[in-house]
Amino acid sequence: DQQVKQNSPSLSVQEGRISILNCDYTNSMFDYFLWYKKYPAEGPTFLISISSIKDKNEDGRFTVFLNKSAKHLSLHIVPSQPGDSAVYFCAATSNNAGNMLTFGGGTRLMVKP
Amino acid sequence: DGGITQSPKYLFRKEGQNVTLSCEQNLNHDAMYWYRQDPGQGLRLIYYSQIVNDFQKGDIAEGYSVSREKKESFPLTVTSAQKNPTAFYLCASSIGPDSYNEQFFGPGTRLTVL
Repeated sequence: DQQVKQNSPSLSVQEGRISILNCDYTNSMFDYFLWYKKYPAEGPTFLISISSIKDKNEDGRFTVFLNKSAKHLSLHIVPSQPGDSAVYFCAATSNNAGNMLTFGGGTRLMVKP
Repeated sequence: DGGITQSPKYLFRKEGQNVTLSCEQNLNHDAMYWYRQDPGQGLRLIYYSQIVNDFQKGDIAEGYSVSREKKESFPLTVTSAQKNPTAFYLCASSIGPDSYNEQFFGPGTRLTVL
């Protein structure tokens, strides 16, 4: 049973426009969420996170929104740049999980020049 | 220049052979993790270690073994018992095992079993 799901395996966006990547979770114990970015043949790198006590966290062009009632979070990238083309993974954890992360399946973002 | 190194980047082995993947970190992190990534799938936790000389099974530990004799090293052995060993393997570390500590990832090793 997948506890973290990214239902869109891929997304294509024009440079300069907004990219919206979605993530759904089922485990109500999750209280901390992270987004990682991964280029081919490299390890993921941390992008942005959000605690369940917040509904929005912003860092430059990247904003994560959390809707706890819907068990849904989204990553907004504005404006999108060709260098943003990568696979984005959503991950979740909880206070009693000992820093174990549960990952979604990833969304491949392609930003066209 | 601190970080996590994994070697080799590409590894080929014959079916039935055990193979050990290396993971070294010089970040002075206590916790280390091994993940497996298959095409189109997310990362799945194989084993993790919160401190030297201690490790725990993750979600898909069958067919794998690890050791944590030194703080900076966490090698993963893929045994012949692992039914589908071909995958991309990622090692990660974090400051400690406490929740919400960012995990830093190595560049990965792609293992292909022929």
